[in-house]
Amino acid sequence: EAGVAQSPRYKIIEKRQSVAFWCNPISGHATLYWYQQILGQGPKLLIQFQNNGVVDDSQLPKDRFSAERLKGVDSTLKIQPAKLEDSAVYLCASSLASNQPQHFGDGTRLSIL
Amino acid sequence: GEDVEQSLFLSVREGDSSVINCTYTDSSSTYLYWYKQEPGAGLQLLTYIFSNMDMKQDQRLTVLLNKKDKHLSLRIADTQTGDSAIYFCAERLSGNTGKLIFGQGTTLQVKP
Repeated sequence: EAGVAQSPRYKIIEKRQSVAFWCNPISGHATLYWYQQILGQGPKLLIQFQNNGVVDDSQLPKDRFSAERLKGVDSTLKIQPAKLEDSAVYLCASSLASNQPQHFGDGTRLSIL
Repeated sequence: GEDVEQSLFLSVREGDSSVINCTYTDSSSTYLYWYKQEPGAGLQLLTYIFSNMDMKQDQRLTVLLNKKDKHLSLRIADTQTGDSAIYFCAERLSGNTGKLIFGQGTTLQVKP
């Protein structure tokens, strides 16, 4: 079974630029999550999708972050404009359902200059 | 509030047992998880335990849960150098969202 795929693996941009991350969950997984992991910390949930609907986006900074999962499979997370404090690893995870274990991709490491 | 605490660092010798500890605050948590993160990689699910269980064993891994004290531990028997990584404890809150709250991670260093 293929795991959660994320791209790109690394991204370096200047502050105030925009950036997008892509995630392809495990086939058949209805629930998709985006987490932000700042260096030295555990992951923090940004947004959770159930199929193509948003379940929880309470921790998403909506003035600059957006995410979509239009067809209920792949998802993109966008930051516009980026700030220095957005430097982190952005992890995508998926699960069969919201009450099932979450499986993580390798993440996208974002550096803001 | 929601909070998960872990000690930051543990060093053991190869062949010894490792015990990584975690405390959590939400008494209504349904499942508790242990994930492993190697450098530059995502989180690998190691094991999990349902909140009405006291213990779960899976090969070299033993999870102990003290629900009264809200304390979770992960024991790794016969620790190997390949076990060197950051270990995260996470609690899944009650409710339908399945939201996970992670600790800050424990770095396990295994010396040969």
